[in-house]
Amino acid sequence: NAGVTQTPKFRVLKTGQSMTLLCAQDMNHEYMYWYRQDPGMGLRLIHYSVGEGTTAKGEVPDGYNVSRLKKQNFLLGLESAAPSQTSVYFCASSEHPGTSNRNEQFFGPGTRLTVL
Amino acid sequence: KNEVEQSPQNLTAQEGEFITINCSYSVGISALHWLQQHPGGGIVSLFMLSSGKKKHGRLIATINIQEKHSSLHITASHPRDSAVYICAVRIYNTDKLIFGTGTRLQVFP
Repeated sequence: NAGVTQTPKFRVLKTGQSMTLLCAQDMNHEYMYWYRQDPGMGLRLIHYSVGEGTTAKGEVPDGYNVSRLKKQNFLLGLESAAPSQTSVYFCASSEHPGTSNRNEQFFGPGTRLTVL
Repeated sequence: KNEVEQSPQNLTAQEGEFITINCSYSVGISALHWLQQHPGGGIVSLFMLSSGKKKHGRLIATINIQEKHSSLHITASHPRDSAVYICAVRIYNTDKLIFGTGTRLQVFP
């Protein structure tokens, strides 16, 4: 099993450009999450999904959109990138909290995004 | 004030030393997670706790729900334990985690 994979691993954008980050998991997890990690701050939740076709806002959703058309994929879109979105982005997945007493989150390797 | 506070922020140790990293939180939780972030950036889950104590190899995690406090202990530390250790709490009755800012541990031979 590959676990959680993210593409791309690195990307440099100019202000105003758009891009999509792809997260894929092969563990049949219901829940998927997008986080950003910035220096001196904890991971912050951008958006999450509790199942195929559903998405919800997290702590810092502005400037991002997401889609979960297939259970195994969770896409994060930046429609018009800004320098404030320079960050490392992590995707994670987990089982439904109600069905697992471990509820461990499995993380992807991260995407380092720089917006100039 | 952050809802999840970790201490210390940075920690250096000699190989073999006993390490303690602390996490305090100010919200109602259903579970607490300890994560390890390697120097290369990858994040792995170490423990999930809702009460008591868990042990895995040289790692021990404890939680005191009444005091809203958890500790991560590393016995007989080794240079390969050098990483950032992150505490995260699952807010009661939600699907969301709130993360601490992490403790950077360096273990020297």
